[in-house]
Amino acid sequence: QVQLVQSGSELKKPGASVKVSCKASGYTLTSHPMNWVRQAPGQGLEWMGWINTNTGNPAYAQGFRGRFVLSLDTSVNTAYLQISSLKAEDTGMYYCVRDFTGKDAFDIWGQGTMVTVSS
Amino acid sequence: QSALTQPPSASGSPGQSVTISCTGTSSDVGGYNSVSWFQQHPGKAPKLMIYEVNKRPSGVPDRFAGSKSGNTASLTVSGLQAEDDADYYCSSFTSNAGGNTVFGGGTKLTVL
Repeated sequence: QVQLVQSGSELKKPGASVKVSCKASGYTLTSHPMNWVRQAPGQGLEWMGWINTNTGNPAYAQGFRGRFVLSLDTSVNTAYLQISSLKAEDTGMYYCVRDFTGKDAFDIWGQGTMVTVSS
Repeated sequence: QSALTQPPSASGSPGQSVTISCTGTSSDVGGYNSVSWFQQHPGKAPKLMIYEVNKRPSGVPDRFAGSKSGNTASLTVSGLQAEDDADYYCSSFTSNAGGNTVFGGGTKLTVL
Protein backbone atom coordinates (compact mmCIF):
# COMPACT_ATOMS: atom_id res chain seq x y z
CA GLN A 1 0.00 0.00 0.00
CA VAL A 2 1.43 3.34 -1.09
CA GLN A 3 1.44 5.82 1.77
CA LEU A 4 3.30 8.65 3.45
CA VAL A 5 3.57 8.47 7.22
CA GLN A 6 4.53 11.66 9.04
CA SER A 7 5.94 12.19 12.51
CA GLY A 8 3.70 13.22 15.40
CA SER A 9 2.46 16.57 16.61
CA GLU A 10 4.94 19.08 18.00
CA LEU A 11 4.60 21.85 20.59
CA LYS A 12 7.46 24.32 20.44
CA LYS A 13 8.37 27.66 21.93
CA PRO A 14 9.09 30.69 19.76
CA GLY A 15 12.68 30.66 18.56
CA ALA A 16 13.03 26.88 18.71
CA SER A 17 13.44 24.51 15.74
CA VAL A 18 11.43 21.53 14.58
CA LYS A 19 12.07 18.70 12.13
CA VAL A 20 9.13 16.87 10.58
CA SER A 21 9.69 13.50 8.93
CA CYS A 22 7.72 11.89 6.11
CA LYS A 23 8.40 8.21 5.45
CA ALA A 24 7.33 6.77 2.10
CA SER A 25 6.19 3.16 1.97
CA GLY A 26 4.97 1.05 -0.92
CA TYR A 27 7.13 2.93 -3.39
CA THR A 28 10.69 4.26 -3.73
CA LEU A 29 11.03 7.87 -2.59
CA THR A 30 13.26 8.77 -5.54
CA SER A 31 10.66 7.85 -8.15
CA HIS A 32 8.49 10.96 -7.63
CA PRO A 33 8.98 14.60 -6.53
CA MET A 34 7.93 15.47 -2.98
CA ASN A 35 6.07 18.65 -2.09
CA TRP A 36 5.14 20.25 1.23
CA VAL A 37 1.93 22.11 1.97
CA ARG A 38 0.92 24.11 5.03
CA GLN A 39 -2.58 24.70 6.35
CA ALA A 40 -2.93 27.26 9.12
CA PRO A 41 -5.84 26.65 11.54
CA GLY A 42 -9.14 27.32 9.76
CA GLN A 43 -7.35 28.46 6.61
CA GLY A 44 -6.66 27.17 3.11
CA LEU A 45 -3.79 25.24 1.59
CA GLU A 46 -0.45 26.96 0.98
CA TRP A 47 2.27 25.44 -1.19
CA MET A 48 5.64 25.64 0.57
CA GLY A 49 8.04 24.06 -1.88
CA TRP A 50 9.26 20.84 -3.37
CA ILE A 51 12.34 18.67 -3.47
CA ASN A 52 13.72 16.79 -6.45
CA THR A 53 14.07 13.33 -4.93
CA ASN A 54 16.70 12.30 -7.49
CA THR A 55 19.11 15.21 -6.97
CA GLY A 56 18.04 16.36 -3.50
CA ASN A 57 17.64 19.88 -4.88
CA PRO A 58 14.89 21.88 -3.11
CA ALA A 59 12.89 24.88 -4.32
CA TYR A 60 10.83 27.11 -2.03
CA ALA A 61 7.80 29.35 -2.39
CA GLN A 62 8.52 33.01 -1.72
CA GLY A 63 7.19 33.02 1.85
CA PHE A 64 9.19 29.95 2.83
CA ARG A 65 12.76 30.97 2.04
CA GLY A 66 15.35 31.28 4.77
CA ARG A 67 13.96 29.42 7.81
CA PHE A 68 12.57 26.37 6.00
CA VAL A 69 14.75 23.51 4.76
CA LEU A 70 13.67 20.46 2.77
CA SER A 71 15.92 17.40 2.75
CA LEU A 72 15.98 13.66 2.12
CA ASP A 73 17.49 10.47 3.48
CA THR A 74 17.01 8.01 0.65
CA SER A 75 18.54 5.18 2.69
CA VAL A 76 15.40 5.20 4.84
CA ASN A 77 12.99 6.42 2.14
CA THR A 78 12.22 9.56 4.15
CA ALA A 79 11.79 13.27 3.42
CA TYR A 80 12.19 16.00 6.01
CA LEU A 81 11.02 19.55 6.67
CA GLN A 82 13.03 21.59 9.17
CA ILE A 83 11.84 24.95 10.42
CA SER A 84 14.15 27.15 12.47
CA SER A 85 13.51 30.29 14.57
CA LEU A 86 9.88 29.31 14.96
CA LYS A 87 7.23 32.03 15.17
CA ALA A 88 3.62 31.89 16.32
CA GLU A 89 2.49 32.31 12.71
CA ASP A 90 4.22 29.03 11.80
CA THR A 91 1.48 27.22 13.71
CA GLY A 92 -0.38 24.89 11.40
CA MET A 93 -0.73 21.46 9.84
CA TYR A 94 2.16 20.49 7.59
CA TYR A 95 1.62 17.89 4.86
CA CYS A 96 4.12 16.06 2.69
CA VAL A 97 2.64 15.24 -0.72
CA ARG A 98 3.77 13.04 -3.58
CA ASP A 99 3.50 14.40 -7.14
CA PHE A 100 3.01 11.30 -9.25
CA THR A 101 3.24 12.91 -12.70
CA GLY A 102 5.64 15.77 -11.98
CA LYS A 103 2.89 18.14 -13.14
CA ASP A 104 1.32 18.99 -9.77
CA ALA A 105 -0.73 15.78 -9.55
CA PHE A 106 -0.54 15.54 -5.76
CA ASP A 107 -1.92 12.04 -5.35
CA ILE A 108 -0.61 10.76 -2.01
CA TRP A 109 -0.78 12.98 1.10
CA GLY A 110 0.73 12.30 4.48
CA GLN A 111 -1.65 12.39 7.41
CA GLY A 112 -0.26 15.78 8.43
CA THR A 113 1.88 16.96 11.33
CA MET A 114 0.47 19.65 13.59
CA VAL A 115 3.12 22.13 14.69
CA THR A 116 2.05 24.50 17.45
CA VAL A 117 4.29 27.43 18.39
CA SER A 118 3.37 28.96 21.72
CA SER A 119 5.14 30.39 24.71
CA GLN B 1 2.38 34.60 -5.03
CA SER B 2 -1.35 35.41 -5.25
CA ALA B 3 -3.78 32.61 -4.69
CA LEU B 4 -6.13 31.52 -7.44
CA THR B 5 -9.65 32.92 -7.00
CA GLN B 6 -12.44 30.57 -5.94
CA PRO B 7 -15.93 31.42 -4.66
CA PRO B 8 -16.01 30.94 -0.88
CA SER B 9 -19.15 28.83 -1.00
CA ALA B 10 -21.38 26.77 -3.27
CA SER B 11 -24.41 24.62 -2.62
CA GLY B 12 -26.84 22.23 -4.20
CA SER B 13 -29.46 19.65 -3.34
CA PRO B 14 -28.88 15.90 -3.61
CA GLY B 15 -28.99 14.79 -7.24
CA GLN B 16 -28.29 18.27 -8.62
CA SER B 17 -25.11 19.49 -10.30
CA VAL B 18 -22.84 22.26 -9.07
CA THR B 19 -19.84 23.94 -10.69
CA ILE B 20 -16.97 25.57 -8.81
CA SER B 21 -14.72 28.03 -10.63
CA CYS B 22 -11.02 28.74 -10.20
CA THR B 23 -9.71 31.89 -11.86
CA GLY B 24 -6.06 32.66 -12.42
CA THR B 25 -3.97 34.32 -15.09
CA SER B 26 -2.06 33.41 -18.23
CA SER B 27 0.94 32.71 -15.96
CA ASP B 28 -0.83 29.84 -14.24
CA VAL B 29 -4.27 28.40 -15.10
CA GLY B 30 -4.37 29.83 -18.61
CA GLY B 31 -0.84 28.93 -19.53
CA TYR B 32 -0.53 25.32 -18.41
CA ASN B 33 -2.60 22.14 -18.30
CA SER B 34 -1.48 21.43 -14.74
CA VAL B 35 -4.70 22.27 -12.90
CA SER B 36 -5.72 19.95 -10.07
CA TRP B 37 -8.70 19.78 -7.72
CA PHE B 38 -8.70 18.48 -4.16
CA GLN B 39 -11.49 17.53 -1.77
CA GLN B 40 -10.98 17.97 1.97
CA HIS B 41 -13.29 16.78 4.71
CA PRO B 42 -12.91 18.27 8.20
CA GLY B 43 -9.92 16.90 10.05
CA LYS B 44 -8.70 14.94 7.04
CA ALA B 45 -5.91 15.34 4.53
CA PRO B 46 -6.90 16.60 1.08
CA LYS B 47 -7.70 14.05 -1.62
CA LEU B 48 -6.84 14.42 -5.31
CA MET B 49 -10.03 14.45 -7.40
CA ILE B 50 -8.85 15.85 -10.77
CA TYR B 51 -5.39 16.37 -12.25
CA GLU B 52 -4.09 17.84 -15.52
CA VAL B 53 -7.38 19.77 -15.93
CA ASN B 54 -9.71 16.83 -16.59
CA LYS B 55 -8.13 13.52 -15.60
CA ARG B 56 -9.58 11.45 -12.76
CA PRO B 57 -7.38 9.28 -10.55
CA SER B 58 -8.44 5.69 -10.13
CA GLY B 59 -11.31 5.42 -7.66
CA VAL B 60 -12.74 8.92 -8.13
CA PRO B 61 -16.36 8.71 -9.34
CA ASP B 62 -17.11 10.01 -12.83
CA ARG B 63 -19.58 12.42 -11.21
CA PHE B 64 -16.51 14.67 -10.82
CA ALA B 65 -15.37 16.42 -14.00
CA GLY B 66 -12.81 19.13 -14.67
CA SER B 67 -12.52 21.62 -17.51
CA LYS B 68 -10.75 24.83 -18.44
CA SER B 69 -11.49 27.86 -20.59
CA GLY B 70 -8.94 30.63 -20.83
CA ASN B 71 -7.75 31.60 -17.37
CA THR B 72 -10.60 29.84 -15.55
CA ALA B 73 -10.79 26.20 -14.57
CA SER B 74 -13.96 24.54 -13.32
CA LEU B 75 -14.94 21.51 -11.29
CA THR B 76 -18.42 20.12 -11.89
CA VAL B 77 -19.96 17.68 -9.46
CA SER B 78 -23.01 15.92 -10.89
CA GLY B 79 -25.59 13.89 -9.00
CA LEU B 80 -24.65 15.51 -5.69
CA GLN B 81 -24.44 13.15 -2.74
CA ALA B 82 -24.23 13.88 0.98
CA GLU B 83 -20.58 12.78 1.08
CA ASP B 84 -19.64 15.48 -1.44
CA ASP B 85 -20.16 18.06 1.34
CA ALA B 86 -16.56 19.26 1.82
CA ASP B 87 -14.01 21.95 1.02
CA TYR B 88 -12.61 21.99 -2.51
CA TYR B 89 -9.31 23.53 -3.58
CA CYS B 90 -7.85 24.07 -7.02
CA SER B 91 -4.16 24.33 -7.77
CA SER B 92 -2.06 25.16 -10.79
CA PHE B 93 1.53 25.25 -11.88
CA THR B 94 2.68 28.87 -12.07
CA SER B 95 5.53 30.59 -13.86
CA ASN B 96 5.34 33.56 -11.53
CA ALA B 97 8.43 34.30 -9.52
CA GLY B 98 8.17 32.81 -6.07
CA GLY B 99 7.08 29.31 -6.69
CA ASN B 100 6.02 26.44 -8.88
CA THR B 101 2.51 25.82 -7.55
CA VAL B 102 -0.32 28.02 -6.34
CA PHE B 103 -3.57 27.02 -4.61
CA GLY B 104 -6.99 28.60 -4.71
CA GLY B 105 -8.51 29.95 -1.52
CA GLY B 106 -10.98 27.07 -1.29
CA THR B 107 -14.74 26.62 -1.74
CA LYS B 108 -17.05 25.15 0.88
CA LEU B 109 -19.57 22.96 -0.94
CA THR B 110 -22.74 22.37 1.05
CA VAL B 111 -25.15 19.62 0.07
CA LEU B 112 -28.51 20.92 1.24
